[in-house]
Formats: sequence, structure tokens, C-alpha cells
Amino acid sequence: DQQVKQNSPSLSVQEGRISILNCDYTNSMFDYFLWYKKYPAEGPTFLISISSIKDKNEDGRFTVFLNKSAKHLSLHIVPSQPGDSAVYFCAASEAGTYKYIFGTGTRLKVLA
Amino acid sequence: DAGVTQSPTHLIKTRGQQVTLRCSPKSGHDTVSWYQQALGQGPQFIFQYYEEEERQRGNFPDRFSGHQFPNYSSELNVNALLLGDSALYLCASSLVFGQGARGNTIYFGEGSWLTVV
Repeated sequence: DQQVKQNSPSLSVQEGRISILNCDYTNSMFDYFLWYKKYPAEGPTFLISISSIKDKNEDGRFTVFLNKSAKHLSLHIVPSQPGDSAVYFCAASEAGTYKYIFGTGTRLKVLA
Repeated sequence: DAGVTQSPTHLIKTRGQQVTLRCSPKSGHDTVSWYQQALGQGPQFIFQYYEEEERQRGNFPDRFSGHQFPNYSSELNVNALLLGDSALYLCASSLVFGQGARGNTIYFGEGSWLTVV
């Protein structure tokens, strides 16, 4: 049972435009969410997080939105740059546990 | 400030053998988690160590075991290797959970690529 789903395996965006990566979850007990970026042959790099008490968190070009009623979060990258081309993972954690559940990732390609 | 370091970076083992992977956490971190990432999948939680004890375990068999040392570094051991154990093994470190610090971010190392033949 995949509790965290990233239904788009890949996404292509023109440089300078907005990239929107989506993530859905099924467990209503999740209360903390993370986004990671992963380049080939490297470990995942932390991008941005959001707690369930918020609906938006912003850090530079990256903004994460959380819609608890829809059990949906999204990562917006504005403006997109070629260096943003990577695989993006969302992850969720439930209060009282110590593990993160990851989605299967979305491969973003930013075209110059 | 050193990040999470893992060794070895790549290794090849034969079915039935045993392997030990090593991890040093990010400076200031006291908690180490291990994840397995198969090709085309997201990382899957193996277990977490804090204060030299396994605090939580994912859905992995007992062939997977670990250890945390007093300096917070950690080892992941896998016995009786199977072909399906071939994956990227990621170590992640963080500050301790459960002390009013809900939602601690975990930071990953580069990973150890294990190939079982």
C-alpha cells in the first residue's frame, strides 16, 4: 500500500517557467512533509519542509503548499533553471514514529 | 561542517555473503536512520538508531541489523545476501525526535551502492 504517491513519473518545463510537482498521501496522521532533490549517483538533498499546522512554506525559488483536506502537497519552483533538472521525492512522517515514507519520485527536466 | 559520510561507495558481493556498510552522521546529529533505495523507487526505511539502540524498524527481515557507536556513527549489516538486496543504501542523520522537536529534517549521505551477483 503506497501511502505517498507521486503520480507523474516525469515533467518537462521550459527554463524560466514554473515547475509544479505534486504529491498525494493517504494517511491522515502524517504531520510533517519534506521535499528532496536527487541527482544521479548522489544522495537525496533536502529542499524544503512543511508542518501540518501550515499550508504554505517558502524558501527562495521553492514553495511548498499543503492541502490537508485533499491530502495533497505540491512543490513550486519559480523560475525553473536547468540545474533544477533532477528527481524530486516527497516524504511524509507520522507523529509518534521516526520514519519517513517516500514517494517514487518525479523526474524534472528543465529545458534551456 | 562535514555532512553525512558513508563507506564504501560501491561494492559487489556474492549471494549468501555478508556485508557491512558504515555511516558517520552530520556534525551535531545524534540519530541515524538507514534507507534502502531500489532502482526506480523511493527510499524505504530500514531502521533508526538513537542512543546506541534501535528505536524503530521498517518491514525488513532480521538479516538486516545495525549498530550505533558512542560517537553516533553507525553500521548496517546484511547477512545471507540475496539478489534482491542489490540497491543504494542511504544513511540519514538528524537531531533526536520526541523532545519537542517534532518534524526533524533528515540529511542523507551519498549512499553505498551494493550489487549482489
